[in-house]
Formats: sequence, structure tokens, C-alpha cells
Amino acid sequence: GAGVSQTPSNKVTEKGKYVELRCDPISGHTALYWYRQSLGQGPEFLIYFQGTGAADDSGLPNDRFFAVRPEGSVSTLKIQRTERGDSAVYLCASSLFLERGLLNTEAFFGQGTRLTVV
Amino acid sequence: TQLLEQSPQFLSIQEGENLTVYCNSSSVFSSLQWYRQEPGEGPVLLVTVVTGGEVKKLKRLTFQFGDARKDSSLHITAAQPGDTGLYLCAFWGGYIPTFGRGTSLIVHP
Repeated sequence: GAGVSQTPSNKVTEKGKYVELRCDPISGHTALYWYRQSLGQGPEFLIYFQGTGAADDSGLPNDRFFAVRPEGSVSTLKIQRTERGDSAVYLCASSLFLERGLLNTEAFFGQGTRLTVV
Repeated sequence: TQLLEQSPQFLSIQEGENLTVYCNSSSVFSSLQWYRQEPGEGPVLLVTVVTGGEVKKLKRLTFQFGDARKDSSLHITAAQPGDTGLYLCAFWGGYIPTFGRGTSLIVHP
């Protein structure tokens, strides 16, 4: 697609429920990232995929959070037993690492999914 | 602990004013990036600075990378309401972009 697409744009769920957030990256981008952003704050790293594998999941806050990217394209962020503190905007980004290396790399972001846990 | 400290955290100004926002660290970076995030949107890359002392201009925006490559500044001349947004600096730690907390700018008409 032309850009990174995230669905849904808004999600309201009850405390304790399970949610899935979807990210469709730019075609051909091998790197995919999930971030969480609270109001007025910068994006907080959650997990990084290179292809199908999670290369770095050190930002996941606890084992209620899990993400997959089974075919190396679309990714799903899954949150079990949601808590009110999980309310935030969840951003997805993708990137293509050029042969010249990281100096000319750019992260392309979707519009985010606003998750509200009530 | 934030590797990138951005200041000020909030800025509310009138159209036509000039402003500078800062991104500071005790670490040395091979490059720093500035992104702008408009309300309801994801961040969008504005510029990458690579060389110590480098100055880059993007219309009314001037970006500078510190000589020691530990800090950067963004100066906006004659701010307009369309400049409203969250300004984020970032570095690539390995293959992961890491962001500061941002400066939230509101420009009133």
C-alpha cells in the first residue's frame, strides 16, 4: 500500500477483555515496529520485527502483550486481560534498511490505534 | 532514564513568533532525526542531521547538530498555526528508533 495502515483507528474495550490491533506496513519493508504513546509523550518502543521474527521484544511491558508477523508483512499486536493502564495510542511503523546503512533510514508510521479500556 | 531530553515540554505562542526547541543528551550519536506529529497522526520525518555542527534548513525550520554530536536544536521562524504539533527527536540505537518525550507546540492565529 501507499502507507502504513492500522486498524481499527479506535477501540474501546472493557477491562479484562482481549484485543487485537492490526498493522499493514509499506510493501517491501522488512522492519516493523510497535510503539505505545501516551498523551503528549513520545512513542515508547514495544517490539521490533525483522521479517517474520521478533528481533527485539524488550519493550513489551509484561506477558499480557504479544505480537506476531507470521508472513513477514501484516502484524498483529495482542493484549490479553486488558487493564485501564493499557489505554494509549498504539503506533506501528515500518522501515527499509538501505545498503548505505542507518544514516539514511526513516521510520514510516501509521495513524495509530487509540485503545481505551473502561 | 531518557537518553534524549527535550525542552521545553510545552510551548504556546502566537502566530509570527520565533521559537527554538532543544534535544540534549550525554551520549554521542552518529545522527539525530527530527519528526513532527500532528494531532491524530503518526510522526513524520522532517530531517536527519549527521555531521557535528551541521545546519539544515527546511523552509522556515532550521535544524542544527551540536559540534560534539550530543545535542540538536530546531528553530522555527515566524511560526504559523500549521506548525502546531509534537516535535520529536530520535536516534537509531541499532535497528530501533528511540524517541525523546517531545515538545508540544501550539501556535495560535
